[in-house]
Amino acid sequence: EVQLVDSGGGLVKPGGSLRLSCAASGFTFSSYSMNWVRQAPGKGLEWVSSISNSGNYIYYAASIKGRFTISRDNAKNSLYLQMNSLRAEDTAVYFCARGRIAVAGSAGDYWGPGTLVTVSS
Amino acid sequence: QSVLTQPPSASGTPGQRVTISCSGSSSNIGTNNVNWYQQVPGTAPKLLIYGNNQRPSGVPDRFSGSKSGASASLAITGLQSEDGADYYCAAWDDSLNGYVFGSGTKVTVL
Repeated sequence: EVQLVDSGGGLVKPGGSLRLSCAASGFTFSSYSMNWVRQAPGKGLEWVSSISNSGNYIYYAASIKGRFTISRDNAKNSLYLQMNSLRAEDTAVYFCARGRIAVAGSAGDYWGPGTLVTVSS
Repeated sequence: QSVLTQPPSASGTPGQRVTISCSGSSSNIGTNNVNWYQQVPGTAPKLLIYGNNQRPSGVPDRFSGSKSGASASLAITGLQSEDGADYYCAAWDDSLNGYVFGSGTKVTVL
């Protein structure tokens, strides 16, 4: 059974940093692209970043480019999102999602339950 | 302001057919595949349709997707009470070099 468990969220002050993790199981992690998608309270879905299966191709939304870094460790079946220079508008539930295929940016077919990031002083 | 435009709401009675539109441009829907997601508030999204009209295993066949030019639509036939949720279209955008979601449509089963 495919399982994704995202973690690492919490309360952080503006300008602070946080590292999210997504532990994957039940599938060959190294064969699939992965994504981070966020949802601010009461708002719609916003794509954050995608990484190809090998990690060679990475894409970011303009709203977080230069502040967030996506990475993966295929040996540990894990996906990460390093978030720096956090702003109030980054407050959201962050979901990791498996891409249907190896190419970054494909549809997310399995999703983690999400982890809440709150940026506030 | 979302790159993909959806109506904010749609509704129907049980058994009815409901359609949700998604309007984009040549750089996203006009060139790339459209995906649809269903989200019950407070839970993670679920992939409903991928590749414009393909259903993942386990998705009932009363959900169907179509695409024409730079627009797409999701149809729910034989509406059921459990279909009350938020629905999002999405596609890769070649100009933005990123994945874009629609603004979302709240479906209410009357």
